[in-house]
Amino acid sequence: NAGVTQTPKFRVLKTGQSMTLLCAQDMNHEYMYWYRQDPGMGLRLIHYSVGEGTTAKGEVPDGYNVSRLKKQNFLLGLESAAPSQTSVYFCASSSSGTDFSGANVLTFGAGSRLTVL
Amino acid sequence: GQNIDQPTEMTATEGAIVQINCTYQTSGFNGLFWYQQHAGEAPTFLSYNVLDGLEEKGRFSSFLSRSKGYSYLLLKELQMKDSASYLCAVRDSNYQLIWGAGTKLIIKP
Repeated sequence: NAGVTQTPKFRVLKTGQSMTLLCAQDMNHEYMYWYRQDPGMGLRLIHYSVGEGTTAKGEVPDGYNVSRLKKQNFLLGLESAAPSQTSVYFCASSSSGTDFSGANVLTFGAGSRLTVL
Repeated sequence: GQNIDQPTEMTATEGAIVQINCTYQTSGFNGLFWYQQHAGEAPTFLSYNVLDGLEEKGRFSSFLSRSKGYSYLLLKELQMKDSASYLCAVRDSNYQLIWGAGTKLIIKP
């Protein structure tokens, strides 16, 4: 079982370039998330999806777009990269989002380290 | 605003016990999570508390006091492989996760 797979693992961009990060999960999870992790800060939610064909904004959505055309894939796009988007990006998935009875544990991918020059 | 506070870094000795504290101020409460993150790797789930009290899982235990907005993660019989960052996260009234910045735990022989 691969779990959550992110590609690419590393990428260097120049300011203004665009790119897409791909996240794939094989656990049939409904919910998928994109986070960024910066030194000295907690994980911050960029966008999330509660099912195929749906997306929603998180805490820091500006400068990013997402798509969830297939249940197992969640794409994060940067239209015009800026140095402030230099970060480690984590994709995660969970079986549900508002589960009163359970923990709704997140399974994370290994991360994608993006540097914008 | 919403806030999760954890110590930035802690050091402990192999074989000892360490307690990592987490205090929170959030809009509502629907559970508290602890995740472990080794350097350069993904966070992995350790524990979940939604009711007051202690949850024990092998060498790891997690405690919650909702009235005090406080949790701790207790690691016993420390091993070198426990060197990692420990992330505290609270699920608020909108079922959104609010994350602390993490506590980097350094284990010395």
